[in-house]
Amino acid sequence: NFVLTQPHSVSESPGKTVTISCTGSSGSIASKFVQWYQQRPGSAPTTVIYEDNKRPSGVPDRFSGSVDRSSNSASLTISGLKTEDEADYYCQTSDSSNLWVFGGGTKLTVL
Amino acid sequence: QLQLEESGPGLVKPSETLSLTCSVSGGSVSSYTYYWGWVRQPPGKGLEWIGGMYYSGTAYYNPSLKSRLSIAVDTSKNHFSLKLTSVTAADTALYYCLAAAGVLDVFDIWGQGTMVTVSS
Repeated sequence: NFVLTQPHSVSESPGKTVTISCTGSSGSIASKFVQWYQQRPGSAPTTVIYEDNKRPSGVPDRFSGSVDRSSNSASLTISGLKTEDEADYYCQTSDSSNLWVFGGGTKLTVL
Repeated sequence: QLQLEESGPGLVKPSETLSLTCSVSGGSVSSYTYYWGWVRQPPGKGLEWIGGMYYSGTAYYNPSLKSRLSIAVDTSKNHFSLKLTSVTAADTALYYCLAAAGVLDVFDIWGQGTMVTVSS
């Protein structure tokens, strides 16, 4: 089974930059797009990054995504951290059979 | 702007069938821009993909749920549905419907979610 691994939690101070990693257990992350979802407490997930590095309208350009196919990993970087960025973040991609896979989620604390 | 809203019973008895509907507004389920999917989240846990279906009928199901799962698209009502049979307490979760990108340069849109508890 294809697995995406994320750090359980990260924390950083307001105004700083944080990067959340998402590592695939096999080569699939290299061949499929990666998405990132933000889930604030008590709310539904929303898309912050799609197709590796695109931002939906309304998502600040402080959010950026990247994929390193040589290391089979993706990253979400949030710069100029704000307290409103405090949330759970999930990466997602598809395996070779087009079945979705989610990472376990990373809790971002902005303190 | 596409919007999704889940509906269905909040309490289901063990061994019975969980049925949810997702109403789509601001767009059509007949569109190939999206395919129509479900994700669930057990209390305090992460996201689990359930499955999804294109308007054409092509479906993708989580292998761990496939034997109990059915997803259907109803163009007459502009909604899609989820049926999960023989439920147990392990199926207790917040269930989200979503419009998943079916073409390039489109992003996924999520519903607000509906809580389903399996209990006698």
